[in-house]
Amino acid sequence: AQRVTQPEKLLSVFKGAPVELKCNYSYSGSPELFWYVQYSRQRLQLLLRHISRESIKGFTADLNKGETSFHLKKPFAQEEDSAMYYCALSVNTDKLIFGTGTRLQVFP
Amino acid sequence: GAVVSQHPSRVICKSGTSVKIECRSLDFQATTMFWYRQFPKQSLMLMATSNEGSKATYEQGVEKDKFLINHASLTLSTLTVTSAHPEDSSFYICSAREISGQGKYFGPGTRLTVL
Repeated sequence: AQRVTQPEKLLSVFKGAPVELKCNYSYSGSPELFWYVQYSRQRLQLLLRHISRESIKGFTADLNKGETSFHLKKPFAQEEDSAMYYCALSVNTDKLIFGTGTRLQVFP
Repeated sequence: GAVVSQHPSRVICKSGTSVKIECRSLDFQATTMFWYRQFPKQSLMLMATSNEGSKATYEQGVEKDKFLINHASLTLSTLTVTSAHPEDSSFYICSAREISGQGKYFGPGTRLTVL
């Protein structure tokens, strides 16, 4: 079955602390994974995709096929990073399967 | 950047009535649009994929006669919730994929409340 698991509903850290938002997936094919972010009162937007291997706003995510994980990391959290983060798996190019999301709170 | 709009942003209706939600790609053409549903504190669940000029493809468990989707142009898709009931109350989000690339852009969502 295709599934995305985000085990943490809420992650609270202080500004400057490292952040890791966990994401595990279940998919028999070749996975294409994404992280989406939703800031307060804003729409969902793409943060990064594993294919691009890029760092956006200081965030990185590495696909680990052995552990079927795609954890999102940032070495030093900022207050403006506070948002809802969704991990998503793309199936058959079009279909996106979302995890339940993790709310990141960064305290000053 | 690419923008997707939804109208209305929120709607309250009586049980038994039908509600239409519009999804528009404002500055790009989208052959494919997607409709999601999100219950409080839950994830987005794909309801259906609509391709311009053809019938929508519904996910398992989604009633196509209840959730009518029309994608008549490259910039507009509509979702009509027919004979709405309180259990249809939810947040409905559309996304659009541009013709030229892999980008999927999300609308701001429509909150439907059925009394």
